[in-house]
Amino acid sequence: DAGITQSPRHKVTETGTPVTLRCHQTENHRYMYWYRQDPGHGLRLIHYSYGVKDTDKGEVSDGYSVSRSKTEDFLLTLESATSSQTSVYFCAISEQYSSGANVLTFGAGSRLTVL
Amino acid sequence: GQQVMQIPQYQHVQEGEDFTTYCNSSTTLSNIQWYKQRPGGHPVFLIQLVKSGEVKKQKRLTFQFGEAKKNSSLHITATQTTDVGTYFCVTGTASKLTFGTGTRLQVTL
Repeated sequence: DAGITQSPRHKVTETGTPVTLRCHQTENHRYMYWYRQDPGHGLRLIHYSYGVKDTDKGEVSDGYSVSRSKTEDFLLTLESATSSQTSVYFCAISEQYSSGANVLTFGAGSRLTVL
Repeated sequence: GQQVMQIPQYQHVQEGEDFTTYCNSSTTLSNIQWYKQRPGGHPVFLIQLVKSGEVKKQKRLTFQFGEAKKNSSLHITATQTTDVGTYFCVTGTASKLTFGTGTRLQVTL
């Protein structure tokens, strides 16, 4: 078990307010990811990190920023939330199995509603 | 990045029927992974395929990677209600893993 905790699990906020989602892992995995999941779109990568202070954009990064000041924590921030950012957000880590596969392990998800 | 299309988007079967979902790419894939997401849950890794023409089995699940490494399939024999969920194919590298749009499977008695 990769020990991934997301917080908050549910949040309702208003348009224009800042929101920060937190992902915490307990096993020092190098790669961490933030995905959003919306009906008809599967999971889409927002940002990812390959180490402390090392982050890069994914395919849907507009309106989002991330920070990783410690190996165990990866924060996703919506500076000014919009209704289009209503979604379920998943954090994930990548770990290498003995087979050589780089496998994603996900947190339980954070459901965000922007009114 | 690489894009993968999955079909069908949704399938409803009766328990005991077989089910297949397909993942297609216009480019050659280095590998393909499959994940399952139960309703209300998070995606969980099932398997990875790497070699051309590779076939792997997990109980009632059979995974195939095409000879040209441009497509993959997941076949479930004799579905059960526990198979309900969305199945995703995923491809890419550690820094850029791309999900297919998923196939939602509904199984009724």
